[in-house]
Amino acid sequence: EVQLVQSGAEVKKPGESLRISCKGSGYTFTSHWINWVRQMPGKGLEWMGRIDPTDSYTNYSPSFQGHVTISADRSTSTAYLQWSSLKASDTAMYYCARHHSTDMSYTSAVGYDHWGQGTLVTVSS
Amino acid sequence: QSALTQPASVSGSPGQSITISCTGTSGDIGAYNFVSWYQQRPGKPPILMIYDVSNRPSGISNRFSGSKSGLTASLTVSGLQAEDEADYYCSSYTNTTTLVLFGGGTKLTVL
Repeated sequence: EVQLVQSGAEVKKPGESLRISCKGSGYTFTSHWINWVRQMPGKGLEWMGRIDPTDSYTNYSPSFQGHVTISADRSTSTAYLQWSSLKASDTAMYYCARHHSTDMSYTSAVGYDHWGQGTLVTVSS
Repeated sequence: QSALTQPASVSGSPGQSITISCTGTSGDIGAYNFVSWYQQRPGKPPILMIYDVSNRPSGISNRFSGSKSGLTASLTVSGLQAEDEADYYCSSYTNTTTLVLFGGGTKLTVL
């Protein structure tokens, strides 16, 4: 069974750093793009970026470029999303999601068939 | 880049059919067949309902279907059931550095 299991909820203060994780199992971790999606309270889905776990090649949405870093450790089948300096506006649910295809081409960007359960990040002073 | 445009809400009675539209541009929906639809119930992660415009993942009911015409993609839900009540999001590949666009979401109410 394919699973993406995310790390637990976090409560942080503005300016603090944070790394959340997403561990894949039940499939070949390096055969699918892993994406990160933000959902702010009561709002819609926003694509943040993605990573090819084979070589850690990444793409970022311009809205998030420079504010977050996506990484992966293929030896543990885990992807990460990290911030060096959190803001209150980072308060949101964050999901990792697997692209449905093993086609790792650039245009394989849409259509996520397995999602993590979400990690709620709360940033408050 | 602006999100894809969806109606904020749609509604229908059990057994009826509804269609949710998703309008983009010539740089996304109009140019590529990389359109997906997701269902999201409160407090849950999204579920992939349709990918590549009209393909259903295994386990998704054939009451859900997708199509595209010009700049607009559509999700049709036939034989509405109470369990279909949820938020629905479209998503498309875009040929800009943004790479992936989501629609703002549509709340489906089953009357």
